[in-house]
Amino acid sequence: DVKVTQSSRYLVKRTGEKVFLECVQDMDHENMFWYRQDPGLGLRLIYFSYDVKMKEKGDIPEGYSVSREKKERFSLILESASTNQTSMYLCASSFPGLLGFNEQFFGPGTRLTVL
Amino acid sequence: AQKVTQAQTEISVVEKEDVTLDCVYETRDTTYYLFWYKQPPSGELVFLIRRNSFDEQNEISGRYSWNFQKSTSSFNFTITASQVVDSAVYFCALSEAGVQKLVFGQGTRLTINP
Repeated sequence: DVKVTQSSRYLVKRTGEKVFLECVQDMDHENMFWYRQDPGLGLRLIYFSYDVKMKEKGDIPEGYSVSREKKERFSLILESASTNQTSMYLCASSFPGLLGFNEQFFGPGTRLTVL
Repeated sequence: AQKVTQAQTEISVVEKEDVTLDCVYETRDTTYYLFWYKQPPSGELVFLIRRNSFDEQNEISGRYSWNFQKSTSSFNFTITASQVVDSAVYFCALSEAGVQKLVFGQGTRLTINP
C-alpha cells in the first residue's frame, strides 16, 4: 500500500513563527502536492512538485514556500505564520500520467492552529 | 478555467436509504479526468474512482455507482443501501489533460444515521 505520512497530526504555533510541515511518501512517486482544506472551500492547491528540486505554484501560494531535496520528501514552509493560515494541511503524491492525471494518495493531514 | 461545484453542503439520511451526491464541473478542455474521493473522520482522503472524458459508461462498484453525463457536465455519485460507515465528506475533482493537478469541489458531508 502507498503510504504518505505527515510529521504531525496537530500543531499549535504563534504568529510570526517559522513553521515546517513535513511529508514523506514511500512509493517513489514523482509528483507531490500540498493542499489546505477549509470548510466550504474544499481543498486548494498551495504548491506542487513534479521532481526533486522542482516546484510549481498552485492556486494559493502566498505566504508559503516549499522544499524538495529528496524524491520522497516534500516540505511546506510558513515563513512567518499568521492566524489566517490556521487550517488543515494535506500532502499527496502520485505518479505522473502521460496524458492525464493519476490518482493522488493522501496523508492523514496536519491541523495547524496559529495563535 | 476549471471549476467543480458540489451544491449539497450536507446530506443526512437514515441507514439503508439510497443517496446521490451531485457534482457539476466546468472546463474548456475536451480531454479531462474526473475523480471522487472519500474523507472519513480520520482525515485521510481515499480515492474512489477516476473517469476520463471519453468514457461515459456508468460504473458500478458494489453499493457505489457513478453517472457521468457530458451533456450536463455532471458526474454524480450514488450510494445504494447506505450504511453508517459511509458517513464521510465526499469530494469531486477535475483535472485537464497534461495538467498535473486537481481542482476540487467544496465537498459534501454525508451523515448516515442508524
